[in-house]
Amino acid sequence: QVQLQESGPGLVKPSETLSLTCSVSGGSISPYYWGWIRQPPGKGLEWIGYISYSGSTNYNSSLKSRVTISVDMSKNQFSLKLSSVTATDTAVYYCARLNAMATYYFDYWGQGALVTVSS
Amino acid sequence: EIVLTQSPGTLSLSPGERATLSCRASQRVSSTYLAWYQQKPGQAPRLLIYGASSRATGIPDRFSGSGSGTDFTLTISRLEPEDFAVYYCQQYGSSAEVTFGPGTKVDIK
Repeated sequence: QVQLQESGPGLVKPSETLSLTCSVSGGSISPYYWGWIRQPPGKGLEWIGYISYSGSTNYNSSLKSRVTISVDMSKNQFSLKLSSVTATDTAVYYCARLNAMATYYFDYWGQGALVTVSS
Repeated sequence: EIVLTQSPGTLSLSPGERATLSCRASQRVSSTYLAWYQQKPGQAPRLLIYGASSRATGIPDRFSGSGSGTDFTLTISRLEPEDFAVYYCQQYGSSAEVTFGPGTKVDIK
């Protein structure tokens, strides 16, 4: 059974960079895609971006200038960096596996990590 | 960018009733790339339906998906107490971007 676990600081100051890591267990990073989705308190889901096991990326156009997603196959992990954060970036951040074999859907999700942007 | 609209925003029903949730896209979406998720408070979303009509592993057959083009539907044939939750549709578009709908909350009448 594939399991995902987010880790990283729960509090980030405005203008700084939010950094989260997702550790994958029970399966290999290859040959899947891996994504990040966030959910502001009381609101809906927003896709941030995804990365393939080989490192190719695709980002939400509204966040593209601030987002970097990377993968470390040796550690079975992938990571999210979001720069120049503001209070509007406060959200629960989920990592998830994007099954892109014949279609595109997120079949395994982490439990989520609440990140608050505040001084 | 394809925008997904879900209706109604909230659906108030009783256990045992049938729930019909709508997801409408601003442009044609391939059925292959339309999925539905269920989310309960404090939990991560759970995949219900992919490819517009295929149930994910372990999903009861009271959940079904249908539709094509710009109009898709999630139907719950008989609501069980554990089905009261928020439901999201999601699409993958030709620009390789993913979008989610705003969600439909199914609550107890």
